[in-house]
Amino acid sequence: AQRVTQPEKLLSVFKGAPVELKCNYSYSGSPELFWYVQYSRQRLQLLLRHISRESIKGFTADLNKGETSFHLKKPFAQEEDSAMYYCASLIQGAQKLVFGQGTRLTINP
Amino acid sequence: DAGVTQSPTHLIKTRGQQVTLRCSPKSGHDTVSWYQQALGQGPQFIFQYYEEEERQRGNFPDRFSGHQFPNYSSELNVNALLLGDSALYLCASSRIWDSPSSYNEQFFGPGTRLTVL
Repeated sequence: AQRVTQPEKLLSVFKGAPVELKCNYSYSGSPELFWYVQYSRQRLQLLLRHISRESIKGFTADLNKGETSFHLKKPFAQEEDSAMYYCASLIQGAQKLVFGQGTRLTINP
Repeated sequence: DAGVTQSPTHLIKTRGQQVTLRCSPKSGHDTVSWYQQALGQGPQFIFQYYEEEERQRGNFPDRFSGHQFPNYSSELNVNALLLGDSALYLCASSRIWDSPSSYNEQFFGPGTRLTVL
């Protein structure tokens, strides 16, 4: 079964420090992977998807098929980055998302 | 456009009761997916509706059923409620995909918090 694992439930870093949120997936085919974010009192929203290769709000994520990872990175954390982050994988042909359990990121001033 | 809307915001039920949750998709969207998010967990796919039919289903029992109306809005029904059904129920809407390999972004609603006592 397709599975997404986020090993860290909580992550706390200081403002200006680099951030890396880990995500590993298990999928036998060609995965399509996403990062979703939920800011306080807001709804879940798409942050980025691997095929677009964009940098959103300074965040990037690279798909590493050898390590089956899709870690989210930002070189300099900002306080407004504090949020809940979910890694998700798409089951192609089914259009359903499989989510990890999420990582709560806290940026300390 | 208010985006995806869900009602009610909160709901309290007792074991054995039945509940109906409602979702209106974002303007221009025709596909609705439902997810269950237990406390401390990521959302888990329940099912998806398109053209008033259930197209995909996750690993949920038959107590969970749904419906989609001609205006694309949707309902999630849960029968014989269990304590373990307590969760945040999320609705997400999208446009139907053009091909199996394409993906149209799912937009999420604010959720309905269901508490079963």
